[in-house]
Amino acid sequence: DQQVKQNSPSLSVQEGRISILNCDYTNSMFDYFLWYKKYPAEGPTFLISISSIKDKNEDGRFTVFLNKSAKHLSLHIVPSQPGDSAVYFCAAREFYGGSQGNLIFGKGTKLSVKP
Amino acid sequence: SAVISQKPSRDICQRGTSLTIQCQVDSQVTMMFWYRQQPGQSLTLIATANQGSEATYESGFVIDKFPISRPNLTFSTLTVSNMSPEDSSIYLCSARTSGYGYTFGSGTRLTVV
Repeated sequence: DQQVKQNSPSLSVQEGRISILNCDYTNSMFDYFLWYKKYPAEGPTFLISISSIKDKNEDGRFTVFLNKSAKHLSLHIVPSQPGDSAVYFCAAREFYGGSQGNLIFGKGTKLSVKP
Repeated sequence: SAVISQKPSRDICQRGTSLTIQCQVDSQVTMMFWYRQQPGQSLTLIATANQGSEATYESGFVIDKFPISRPNLTFSTLTVSNMSPEDSSIYLCSARTSGYGYTFGSGTRLTVV
């Protein structure tokens, strides 16, 4: 059973508009959430993160929102640029006291930003 | 942030053979992780490798199939043994480079024929 779900495999947005990527999770023990961006033939690169004690984190054009009651987070990109076209992975860290802090990934959403 | 060099970037291998993937980190890290990404799937954790101890494998992955070495704090290898076409995937190494920072290598695209 998937603990981290990205239900939209793809998203197409016009340049300059807002991109909203969604992620749902089931495990209430997740304490930290991250978004990664992946270009073809490259490894995932860290984009932005949020602690479970916060509901919003902003970094330039990227904002992540966390709704703990709904077990939902979203990544907003404003304004979207063609260079943002990539696969975006949502990840959650499970923490159980002395555990190893493994990341659990969603399947990713492929974002295409059209000029 | 840390940089991880992973090689090979891709390989085509015959079934029944083995491939060893290497990851070199440009700084010392305690924990390294190995992931597999099958086509259309998420990144699935294979195992966690700490220096000086046996790797910890996730459910569905065993040491005989995916032996891991972690000889020091900057290096790790993953071997995919006795390969079959079902092992065709992208394999990624990762390191926890700060409290909440995880850095990835560029991945190894493996095709087994």
